[in-house]
Amino acid sequence: EDQVTQSPEALRLQEGESSSLNCSYTVSGLRGLFWYRQDPGKGPEFLFTLYSAGEEKEKERLKATLTKKESFLHITAPKPEDSATYLCAVRVRNTDKLIFGTGTRLQVFP
Amino acid sequence: DAEITQSPRHKITETGRQVTLACHQTWNHNNMFWYRQDLGHGLRLIHYSYGVQDTNKGEVSDGYSVSRSNTEDLPLTLESAASSQTSVYFCASSRDLSSSYNEQFFGPGTRLTVL
Repeated sequence: EDQVTQSPEALRLQEGESSSLNCSYTVSGLRGLFWYRQDPGKGPEFLFTLYSAGEEKEKERLKATLTKKESFLHITAPKPEDSATYLCAVRVRNTDKLIFGTGTRLQVFP
Repeated sequence: DAEITQSPRHKITETGRQVTLACHQTWNHNNMFWYRQDLGHGLRLIHYSYGVQDTNKGEVSDGYSVSRSNTEDLPLTLESAASSQTSVYFCASSRDLSSSYNEQFFGPGTRLTVL
């Protein structure tokens, strides 16, 4: 069964304290792994797409990496404005459908 | 700028009533999707469409229907609302699979309460 698991469920960081969020997946025929950011009361906002093991993408303080079984979202020197829920999703086989994890709620304190 | 909009943003209805949630996108995307988001379950796919006149069931389609008469709109109808359908609903759109860039773009959501 295709599945996406994110950990931890919640993460509290001090401003400047770097950390990583994990997304592990079991899917037959991965056709892309996606990271989204979601602020309270808003829709998910696209961050990155990764397609193959070893691929990395960066945007400001965020870097996403991909292996054959999991992806990490590394947050370097986070700021309070990085506080949000981060969602991971995988595209299944030869379709445009996504399977989402339940997200990691990140809080960054000044 | 291209965008995806949803209306209404908030809706309160009674059990048994028919409810329609609107989704409109100006990306000219072929693909459109409806999700619901509940605590502990994440985003779950309700229905999706790969183009005009095409509709498909997702993992939680019971009690919901969609129709696609043009590229821009995919309304979601709850035939007879139930309390279990209280949720936040998101619409999304994407280019089709043949495109190199086919990430999904999401609307702002509709919070539906069924009393």
